[in-house]
Amino acid sequence: DAGVTQSPTHLIKTRGQQVTLRCSPKSGHDTVSWYQQALGQGPQFIFQYYEEEERQRGNFPDRFSGHQFPNYSSELNVNALLLGDSALYLCASSLFGLAGGQETQYFGPGTRLLVL
Amino acid sequence: AQKITQTQPGMFVQEKEAVTLDCTYDTSDPSYGLFWYKQPSSGEMIFLIYQGSYDQQNATEGRYSLNFQKARKSANLVISASQLGDSAMYFCAMRGPNDYKLSFGAGTTVTVRA
Repeated sequence: DAGVTQSPTHLIKTRGQQVTLRCSPKSGHDTVSWYQQALGQGPQFIFQYYEEEERQRGNFPDRFSGHQFPNYSSELNVNALLLGDSALYLCASSLFGLAGGQETQYFGPGTRLLVL
Repeated sequence: AQKITQTQPGMFVQEKEAVTLDCTYDTSDPSYGLFWYKQPSSGEMIFLIYQGSYDQQNATEGRYSLNFQKARKSANLVISASQLGDSAMYFCAMRGPNDYKLSFGAGTTVTVRA
């Protein structure tokens, strides 16, 4: 049973560039969430996609955008990179659930982004 | 808005002993869910245990148990019989009634000594 996969594992970019991170959900899952984890901190929610639509968004600027494909995989795009965007980006997948539900989010290994 | 507080930045525990990780939360909603995750140095978050606010009993999963005190708004994780492989960062997280997201605390680093 394949778990959540993310690519690439590591990435180095310079300020002002754009980056695309990719995520394939766990087999059978249809919902993808993205989180940003700065060094030494807890993950911060960016957004969640279900049925190819963004259904909840955290407190992140419009430079952060995403997409979900019909096969449930997802991309996270970040434009105009800032030094502060350096972080571990985690993708999590889950089965459709109601707001406030108890469904578990299963995380991938993350993509480590370094912005120079 | 939900807030999760983990006040212990780091803890040391002897192998085979039990360790308790503190988590307090702040919410005015009566319905919510609490999750604990483990994050080894590799980075992947591993789900450990879940507790619903209306659950009558404390959740248990193998060596993990949750000491849920609703009136105190605390959900402490207890790891029994610690193993070297338990060395990791541990995060407490909450989902509110109108949320799909998880809100995480700052985490606690656990180091198990042989």
